Amino acid sequence: NAGVTQTPKFRILKIGQSMTLQCTQDMNHNYMYWYRQDPGMGLKLIYYSVGAGITDKGEVPNGYNVSRSTTEDFPLRLELAAPSQTSVYFCASSYPQTDTQYFGPGTRLTVL
Amino acid sequence: DQQVKQNSPSLSVQEGRISILNCDYTNSMFDYFLWYKKYPAEGPTFLISISSIKDKNEDGRFTVFLNKSAKHLSLHIVPSQPGDSAVYFCAASGIKGAGNTGKLIFGQGTTLQVKP
Repeated sequence: NAGVTQTPKFRILKIGQSMTLQCTQDMNHNYMYWYRQDPGMGLKLIYYSVGAGITDKGEVPNGYNVSRSTTEDFPLRLELAAPSQTSVYFCASSYPQTDTQYFGPGTRLTVL
Repeated sequence: DQQVKQNSPSLSVQEGRISILNCDYTNSMFDYFLWYKKYPAEGPTFLISISSIKDKNEDGRFTVFLNKSAKHLSLHIVPSQPGDSAVYFCAASGIKGAGNTGKLIFGQGTTLQVKP
C-alpha cells in the first residue's frame, strides 16, 4: 500500500503559467481533499470530493480547479499561477463518515 | 475568523518531561477533535482523537483532554522524547450525519522541540 502519493514534490512556476498537481490514493477511499499550508498557518481546505464525479469548494477555492473521474485520482489545476499561490499543497483521503484523513507528502510550489 | 486556535507557536521541553500542547475552538457544533503530527518535508500523520462525548482519550504516551465548557483541548505527551520534535496540529470536525463530508478545520500548529 503506497497510501496517498503526490507529484511533483517541488515546482517553480512563472506568473501566469498553469500546472496540475497530481494526487493518487490506493486505499479505495471515497473522500479526497486538497489543502494548502502557508508558513505559520494551519491547513486551509481548497476543494474536496465525496466520490467520483462529485466535487465541491472548500474555504479557499479561488484560482484552482479540480476533477474526480476515478476513485483513485484527484488532480488540482492551477490555471493562471499567481505569487499568492506559493504554498505547500497536501492531498488527503478518508473513508466516508470518518474524520481520520490520510495525507500525502505534499508539493512545494513557488510562483515567481 | 479562526475557529480553531493554537495560541502557542512553539514549545520547548526537556527529554523525559511532560509536553502540553493546547488548542481552543469557538464553534460549539464541533463534535470530534483530532491531533496530527507533522515532520518537515512530510505530510501530517494522525496521532490521536477524541469524541465530544468523552473528556479524555489515552494512547500510550499520548493523552488528549477535552473541556467542552471551556471549548479547550490539550495534548499531553509523557514522557517526551527527542523523536517527538515536530509540528502538532489540532483539528475539529462537525456533527456526523447525512451530508457530513468529513471536513476538518485546522489550527495553526505548534512546533514542539524536545531537547536531549
